Order: sequence, then structure tokens, then C-alpha cells
Amino acid sequence: AQSVSQHNHHVILSEAASLELGCNYSYGGTVNLFWYVQYPGQHLQLLLKYFSGDPLVKGIKGFEAEFIKSKFSFNLRKPSVQWSDTAEYFCAVKSSAGNNRKLIWGLGTSLAVNP
Amino acid sequence: DAGITQSPRYKITETGRQVTLMCHQTWSHSYMFWYRQDLGHGLRLIYYSAAADITDKGEVPDGYVVSRSKTENFPLTLESATRSQTSVYFCASTREDEQYFGPGTRLTVT
Repeated sequence: AQSVSQHNHHVILSEAASLELGCNYSYGGTVNLFWYVQYPGQHLQLLLKYFSGDPLVKGIKGFEAEFIKSKFSFNLRKPSVQWSDTAEYFCAVKSSAGNNRKLIWGLGTSLAVNP
Repeated sequence: DAGITQSPRYKITETGRQVTLMCHQTWSHSYMFWYRQDLGHGLRLIYYSAAADITDKGEVPDGYVVSRSKTENFPLTLESATRSQTSVYFCASTREDEQYFGPGTRLTVT
């Protein structure tokens, strides 16, 4: 069965520190990959996505992610975090084959940025 | 405005009562989903629907019922609420595999 693993459950950083959140998935075929963010008290919204092409994907608010097929990874990065980046971050994967639109979700990483 | 709306946003109910959570989307997306979000469990899929009158179970369907008579609406019913169903419930729809989420319903079962 497909699964998504987010290695860091809780991350605490100071403002201006660099961020990297790990995401690994288990699926041998072609995948579509997503990072979603959930700010406190809000709903999930898309940060960035990868379907094909350049494996380095840029998203909103200065976030980027790199798809490394050989490592089944899609790690999220930001060079300098801000207090407003405090949120829950979710990685999700979908097999790009077939019509089923279900995403497989990681358990999330809680990021706290101290001012 | 276009998007997904959920109602109510907050609900407190008693054990054993029936509760219906509403979800409405304005995009006419085919696929819709219901998730529950609990600390330590992330997002868990309850039910999903590929189109009007087509629904299927997700990961945690027990105790829930869905219907979808119209494309834009996807209500979730707790037939006899239990305390373990205290959670935040999110509805989502999908366009080209990207999921768009509603604001959520915080349900407390006492």
C-alpha cells in the first residue's frame, strides 16, 4: 500500500533560520506530489505541487521543494523562515495513473518559528 | 464568491444524536472528499465521491453516512454521534488532482 512519511513531527526554529522538511513516499510508479500548509485555525491550502518537468518546484511565500525520484523524496525548503510561517505542513502523494483522485497524506509536521 | 463552504462551523451535540455536516462547492468539481483531522493522526479520509450518486468509503467510514444527489453538495451524517467522533471535519473538492479545502467544522460530542 502507498504511504507517505514525514520524518519531522515538530520543528522549532528562530526567524531567519533555514528550513527543510522531509517527505518520503512508497510507490513505484509515476506520482503527483503536493505540499499543503495549514495556518493556525485555518483550512489547508496548497503550497506547491509537482506533476512533471523540472524537479525543483517553487511555490508561494518563498517555499520550494525538490523531487528526487531515486530517493522517493519530496522535501520542502525555505532559506529564511518568518514568524508567519508557523503552521502545520502536510506532504501528499497521488499515483498519476488512473482516475482515482484520492491523495495519500503524511501525518504532518508542526513548525513553530520564534521571533 | 467561488469556493467551498461548510456549515455549521462549530457544533456541540450529545452522544447518540444524529448530526449532519454540510458541504457546498461552487466550482462543479466532480470529486469531493470528507476528512477528519485529529491530533497525531493527520488527515483521515472518511468518504469520497467521484460524481453525483457515486460515493465510496475511505479509511475511517464507520459511523458516517454520505449522500450526493447534486454535484455541488456533499453532506456528511453522523447517524448516532459518539465521543470518538469529536474532531475537526474538512470537506474538499478536486481539480486536476489538486484538492481545495473548506474552512472546516469543529464538532464536539459530549
